[in-house]
Amino acid sequence: EDQVTQSPEALRLQEGESSSLNCSYTVSGLRGLFWYRQDPGKGPEFLFTLYSAGEEKEKERLKATLTKKESFLHITAPKPEDSATYLCALRAGANSKLTFGKGITLSVRP
Amino acid sequence: ETGVTQSPTHLIKTRGQQVTLRCSSQSGHNTVSWYQQALGQGPQFIFQYYREEENGRGNFPPRFSGLQFPNYSSELNVNALELDDSALYLCASSPTGGNTGELFFGEGSRLTVL
Repeated sequence: EDQVTQSPEALRLQEGESSSLNCSYTVSGLRGLFWYRQDPGKGPEFLFTLYSAGEEKEKERLKATLTKKESFLHITAPKPEDSATYLCALRAGANSKLTFGKGITLSVRP
Repeated sequence: ETGVTQSPTHLIKTRGQQVTLRCSSQSGHNTVSWYQQALGQGPQFIFQYYREEENGRGNFPPRFSGLQFPNYSSELNVNALELDDSALYLCASSPTGGNTGELFFGEGSRLTVL
């Protein structure tokens, strides 16, 4: 069965303090590893898709990387507006079904 | 470009009742999927519709059913509501049968079952 585990559950950072969020997974036949951001009371917002080990994607202060067992979301010099829940998900089948982790709640203090 | 819209945004039902949630997909998207997100959890896949046919279903009982219309909008129906059905219900649309996996989510319908 496909599984996604995210750690830590919550992370509190000072503004400017860089860190990484972890997503470990087990799947037979990965067809994409996704990162989404979710603000309170809102739907998830797409950030990145990674397809193969060694792939990296960047957007502003965020950088996502992928190995055969894990993905990391690196946050460089975070700002308070980066506070949100970050969800990792994988796709294994032919349709668009995503299997999500529980998410990591990030709080960035000014 | 209009994004994914869902209605209603909030609703309260009692155990045993039935509910219908509605979703308009993003312009140009022919695939709609529904997810249930309990408090503190990640979204869980309910089912997907592509060109008015269900083409994927998660581990949800048959009292969860859906429809997709010719304009690609969709409905989620839940019968015989249970307390555990209280959750945020998310609709997501995607182009080309969902093969890219990138989903565009609406803001959700918050269902409370008393």
